[in-house]
Amino acid sequence: DTEVTQTPKHLVMGMTNKKSLKCEQHMGHRAMYWYKQKAKKPPELMFVYSYEKLSINESVPSRFSPECPNSSLLNLHLHALQPEDSALYLCASSPGLAGASTQYFGPGTRLTVL
Amino acid sequence: AQSVTQLDSQVPVFEEAPVELRCNYSSSVSVYLFWYVQYPNQGLQLLLKYLSGSTLVKGINGFEAEFNKSQTSFHLRKPSVHISDTAEYFCAVSARPGGGTSYGKLTFGQGTILTVHP
Repeated sequence: DTEVTQTPKHLVMGMTNKKSLKCEQHMGHRAMYWYKQKAKKPPELMFVYSYEKLSINESVPSRFSPECPNSSLLNLHLHALQPEDSALYLCASSPGLAGASTQYFGPGTRLTVL
Repeated sequence: AQSVTQLDSQVPVFEEAPVELRCNYSSSVSVYLFWYVQYPNQGLQLLLKYLSGSTLVKGINGFEAEFNKSQTSFHLRKPSVHISDTAEYFCAVSARPGGGTSYGKLTFGQGTILTVHP
């Protein structure tokens, strides 16, 4: 199984809502990533978890809160978002944090903030 | 720190024609090099990567890329494209061990949209 799954596929939320994005992989990978991708732009790294510990936070606003409950699961909790946070949120995993590792991407959650 | 420049934002080409997508990078540390493809409404998928050894790297779907250290380039080529190759292509780099705070991060170029016409 070389698949990274993400739910939901689409999410519409108001600025006062709290919602969560979920990402799952069963490849035994020990590194997991959240990216944000705006239209016609490359993915921008948000967070990296390595062995279930937060390894990299790219100065992301606190209204985005990541969580890694176990080695297969990665969540992104959303609260008090702004319309400019509307984007495709991609999850990825890799065998390790090493730079040579291939990252496997999920299909993404398309988020719209009203 | 690293940066990646993809020299063409859009490349239109006819089916069965050859194509080259250009990528140049800049880095203060040694890097690994990648090409990813993103089909419409999907995540990214690895096409190929250069880690070491032969500078000509073959990937999936008939794509290949050549690493040129002196020109800091990693151009992607395919001798004959298909309609199904229509997608956005991202060149990316990541730092080798010893890359400091950049280690573990992928830095992407701005992307090249390849459109294959019948």
